[in-house]
Amino acid sequence: NAGVTQTPKFRVLKTGQSMTLLCAQDMNHEYMYWYRQDPGMGLRLIHYSVGEGTTAKGEVPDGYNVSRLKKQNFLLGLESAAPSQTSVYFCASSLGLVQYFGPGTRLLVL
Amino acid sequence: DQQVKQNSPSLSVQEGRISILNCDYTNSMFDYFLWYKKYPAEGPTFLISISSIKDKNEDGRFTVFLNKSAKHLSLHIVPSQPGDSAVYFCAASGAYSGAGSYQLTFGKGTKLSVIP
Repeated sequence: NAGVTQTPKFRVLKTGQSMTLLCAQDMNHEYMYWYRQDPGMGLRLIHYSVGEGTTAKGEVPDGYNVSRLKKQNFLLGLESAAPSQTSVYFCASSLGLVQYFGPGTRLLVL
Repeated sequence: DQQVKQNSPSLSVQEGRISILNCDYTNSMFDYFLWYKKYPAEGPTFLISISSIKDKNEDGRFTVFLNKSAKHLSLHIVPSQPGDSAVYFCAASGAYSGAGSYQLTFGKGTKLSVIP
């Protein structure tokens, strides 16, 4: 039981490039979330999903898109990366109140 | 406007003593409160939670106290151990939202250092 996994662990992008971050969970959770963590800012919700085929905006959705084609996967896309998107990205999943987090993806946009 | 505030960015405590981490919130609609612990280069892990209908919840060395009238909660760790050194996040959630999920609002975190 791997829990929540994230791919890749680290990535460097140039401004304007695109990429997709993959989150996978094997706990059969309905709800999945993408957060970003910046120094001194805590965790901020980007997008979330309440089930396969559904997505919704969180607190800071601009510049990101998401898809939940399969229940176990939640993808976060950056169409045109900007230096302001340099951050650590965490995926989480839950059945209810308690969210379980992945190990994070560190993204550097130059 | 920050709805969940952790006003102490850091805290240092001697091993064996009590650690007290504080959290304040502004939204009276919050019904559940959670504490997460985060080690460097790892994701946050759930520690303990409390419902707004309670004023205390205990799990081993960890106790969370909730003062609804003051909109304040605290996490007590007794006794503190070096392995407790981590960043602690306070999080809050309203009741089951219309969107169908318990969305969490996080504080900025407090870095706890337990000195051997």
